[in-house]
Amino acid sequence: SAVISQKPSRDICQRGTSLTIQCQVDSQVTMMFWYRQQPGQSLTLIATANQGSEATYESGFVIDKFPISRPNLTFSTLTVSNMSPEDSSIYLCSVAGGTNTGELFFGEGSRLTVL
Amino acid sequence: AQSVTQLGSHVSVSEGALVLLRCNYSSSVPPYLFWYVQYPNQGLQLLLKYTSAATLVKGINGFEAEFKKSETSFHLTKPSAHMSDAAEYFCAVSEYGQNFVFGPGTRLSVLP
Repeated sequence: SAVISQKPSRDICQRGTSLTIQCQVDSQVTMMFWYRQQPGQSLTLIATANQGSEATYESGFVIDKFPISRPNLTFSTLTVSNMSPEDSSIYLCSVAGGTNTGELFFGEGSRLTVL
Repeated sequence: AQSVTQLGSHVSVSEGALVLLRCNYSSSVPPYLFWYVQYPNQGLQLLLKYTSAATLVKGINGFEAEFKKSETSFHLTKPSAHMSDAAEYFCAVSEYGQNFVFGPGTRLSVLP
């Protein structure tokens, strides 16, 4: 299993500002995933981050709003840009299991409230 | 395309009673199926998974789930609920470990 650390764990932000969330994994992984969980909702995949290439964004998510960095095989950042109250969510970093059984491991999440 | 439905957004059981959380899926390929639990203010934790081996899968904390292909179901059960089981439960399907799709979740309340 992988141990995933996210920072910050929670934050309160002002409308129009940007916040960068960090994700650190205790082992090298090829792909890292960023999910959004809006209040009372399920998980929605924002993008897949591969080391050494541009992140792949899902429909409805764009790089200008959610820029992602993946400088090495254990670290990634997600920035939520020009925030509005609709961006208030839990943002979760995830990695795939080390075997072909394909479970995902999740960080504790970053809980953002935008005022 | 894959999809997951979970019947009942909120389920309440008494402590000691049977827990049954329902999950139905659709998949164009043999599915990998998962149940995750999310406790308040925490991330998701894997409860159990099905990946084409035994159809009855046992997980952590006394939970188990049975894969029924004919019913396209993967219901989660626990014989006796404990107060600590109160949480949000998510069923998920993937294609050979890729392209995860999560269900809407079921909130389990356990009444004393």
